[in-house]
Parts: sequence; C-alpha cells; structure tokens
Amino acid sequence: GAVVSQHPSWVICKSGTSVKIECRSLDFQATTMFWYRQFPKQSLMLMATSNEGSKATYEQGVEKDKFLINHASLTLSTLTVTSAHPEDSSFYICSASTAGNTIYFGEGSWLTVV
Amino acid sequence: EDQVTQSPEALRLQEGESSSLNCSYTVSGLRGLFWYRQDPGKGPEFLFTLYSAGEEKEKERLKATLTKKESFLHITAPKPEDSATYLCAVQGPNDYKLSFGAGTTVTVRA
Repeated sequence: GAVVSQHPSWVICKSGTSVKIECRSLDFQATTMFWYRQFPKQSLMLMATSNEGSKATYEQGVEKDKFLINHASLTLSTLTVTSAHPEDSSFYICSASTAGNTIYFGEGSWLTVV
Repeated sequence: EDQVTQSPEALRLQEGESSSLNCSYTVSGLRGLFWYRQDPGKGPEFLFTLYSAGEEKEKERLKATLTKKESFLHITAPKPEDSATYLCAVQGPNDYKLSFGAGTTVTVRA
C-alpha cells in the first residue's frame, strides 16, 4: 500500500535553533499534505494544510512564522520549527492524500527542545 | 465546526470478547469518515474510509459501519495484537482535512 515517510524519527535541538522535518509520499503523488501535532494521550491537532506550489493554510492559533511549511514537489513537504523552545517539544505527524482520497500518515517525528 | 465524539474512552477486553466502538459526528456535509489505528509512539495506520450511510467495510477482525450520525467499529474475537488506540475522523465537503475524535484505547488481555 501507499507509504508516507517522515525524517527524522526523532530529533533533539537546542533552544533557539531551527529544525526541519521532512514528509515524503513514497509511491504516490500528493498535491495535499497535512501537518499535525500530538501531545501525550491526546488526539491529533491539525496545524496546517500544505498544497504543492502554493502557500500553506494554517489553522487558527498556529503561528505561520514559527512553523514554516514548504511543499516544493508532489512528493515532499517540509515543516521547519524556527527558534524552537521547550514548549515546542512534541510529536509531529504528517499525512498525504492520494488521488482517491485515502489519507495516509507518516510514522511521526519526536522533537525535544532542550 | 465539525465535531467528533468517540466512546468509550477506554475499553478492556478479554481475548475473544467481541465489542464495538462508537464515533458520533456532526458535520455539514460528510465527504468521508475515516478510521485509523494508532500504536504508542507511532503514526496512525489507515483502516477504512466510509462515504455514505449504510456502507460497511471489513478487514480481518474489524468491521466499520456508518449511519447519518455515527459510525461503529466492531471488533470480533479480538486478539492481544488488536490492542491500540482507534481514531475516528471526519472530512467535510469543502476541503480534505480531517477532524479527529479523542480516540478509544482498546486493551485486549490474553
């Protein structure tokens, strides 16, 4: 079946630095990708919708200048957490939609800001 | 605003003890209702998409059904490996994003 890959699986960074997370659709083209954040024992919270070749659409309350999203190709979207702080530590998950409207998720990326 | 409510919050089953999970939803025009399984520390694994009331889909011991107000995920004769959090999500008519419920955590004891 379709596979969505995220990299890195986990990352530790120092406070004030930026970190990039990649999301790739491995065997299908995805015009739309989504970025979620998940806190322990909570459900997924949508951060933004990423459309290939255009600006991302951010959900209310999500800082677009802090969470930079780029969808440069039909198989790659990136999330950059800029000037990270400990409160940004979380589990970040991407998903991609196939042409048939099946939405697959990546394995997630654990971010720890120290 | 789309709303999704899952119940129960947690479910403990004996191996072989069949049960059902509920997902109640409110959406202005359902495009699709999605079920996912999520293991701790991992991304959600796609199970089913249902599009219209009356539709049913099956995969191994899981069967999902849909009405105009809710969806059920039936687990028949569960095994310990069915232990996971099951997430329900709805997709509205205007875009492709999903609104998730809080999930039901299922624990199956051998």
